[in-house]
Amino acid sequence: GAVVSQHPSWVICKSGTSVKIECRSLDFQATTMFWYRQFPKQSLMLMATSNEGSKATYEQGVEKDKFLINHASLTLSTLTVTSAHPEDSSFYICSARSLTNEKLFFGSGTQLSVL
Amino acid sequence: AQSVSQHNHHVILSEAASLELGCNYSYGGTVNLFWYVQYPGQHLQLLLKYFSGDPLVKGIKGFEAEFIKSKFSFNLRKPSVQWSDTAEYFCAVISLNTDKLIFGTGTRLQVFP
Repeated sequence: GAVVSQHPSWVICKSGTSVKIECRSLDFQATTMFWYRQFPKQSLMLMATSNEGSKATYEQGVEKDKFLINHASLTLSTLTVTSAHPEDSSFYICSARSLTNEKLFFGSGTQLSVL
Repeated sequence: AQSVSQHNHHVILSEAASLELGCNYSYGGTVNLFWYVQYPGQHLQLLLKYFSGDPLVKGIKGFEAEFIKSKFSFNLRKPSVQWSDTAEYFCAVISLNTDKLIFGTGTRLQVFP
């Protein structure tokens, strides 16, 4: 079945540094990828929608200069948390929509801890 | 390994039929449970969630789900589906031991008028 690979699965960084999270569709092409954030013990919050080759669409309240999203190819989207702070510590998960059947597949998530 | 199973991959119904989508998880301990829906061309929306209390949870658009702890299940139900319910439905579970949210593989529902 279709697989979305998200890397790294777990990262610890110092406050003020930047962290890049990759989301790859391994055996299908994805026109659209979504980035979500999960706060502890709560449901997902959509951060942004990225379409290949165009700028990401951010949800209200999400800082686009802080959470940089790049979707340079049909199989790769990246989320960069710039100048990370402890309040950015969270679980980030991506999903990719298949070009051929519109089905949505999820990555396994990235746990970010900012010290 | 911890997992969430949705055994119905594709369900086809006529309008007014009743719906039940299965969701089983393999975690032990305390869990929070969610059902999300993705309508064609849109992103995920939360249908309902269970944290604690009454195991029968009412959600939006007439959906409900029942948490049966002994069966590790959280099945989604709707007594009478509509054409507009055509969508993909995802069950998700957070284990309070790990705080990690795991999704099922989704069930595609098609409702015909």
